[in-house]
Amino acid sequence: GAVVSQHPSRVICKSGTSVKIECRSLDFQATTMFWYRQFPKKSLMLMATSNEGSKATYEQGVEKDKFLINHASLTLSTLTVTSAHPEDSSFYICSATTSGAPYEQYFGPGTRLTVT
Amino acid sequence: SQKIEQNSEALNIQEGKTATLTCNYTNYSPAYLQWYRQDPGRGPVFLLLIRENEKEKRKERLKVTFDTTLKQSLFHITASQPADSATYLCALPTPSGGYNKLIFGAGTRLAVHP
Repeated sequence: GAVVSQHPSRVICKSGTSVKIECRSLDFQATTMFWYRQFPKKSLMLMATSNEGSKATYEQGVEKDKFLINHASLTLSTLTVTSAHPEDSSFYICSATTSGAPYEQYFGPGTRLTVT
Repeated sequence: SQKIEQNSEALNIQEGKTATLTCNYTNYSPAYLQWYRQDPGRGPVFLLLIRENEKEKRKERLKVTFDTTLKQSLFHITASQPADSATYLCALPTPSGGYNKLIFGAGTRLAVHP
């Protein structure tokens, strides 16, 4: 149980284009979803917190107009990197919590974004 | 601000030995602490949660301790196996709480050699 998927697993895009990453909870309804980015050999950095039906809460220093988050349902959240630049290249990971186990986060497999 | 420190150097041990990883934190008193495992190119996987009023917690070959005075958690893997090789992350809830947001340490890479 508590499986989270992400799509795509890898994406390469040209500078200036936008990329959408999907995060789905497959067998449970997620009360909250989180988006992280991770650089090689570094810790996960929380970007934003997403609740179904409400606006995402962004961490300090994260541009909300650049990283658009849509939490359309209890099982789906999307992150769109708009006008991507090479410095946006990173490993993006989502996680979800359930009401039954609010302290545990179930992570997706991650999306490797490379902007050329 | 809150800070989490994990040994950035890789830990190399022989199969069958006990691996011990350290997580130190500063500047606040979290209600709980979590450990995750992360394999290369994958998302983290939740392992254990220990609350501030618990000194020790076990799950199969895993044992976690939580010393709120020292502001330290130790993570032990007994009878280690090569399959235990991974990066282990320590995570604490942010003081502001809210949606149970977590702060992660950078992780310690464990390599178990046959």
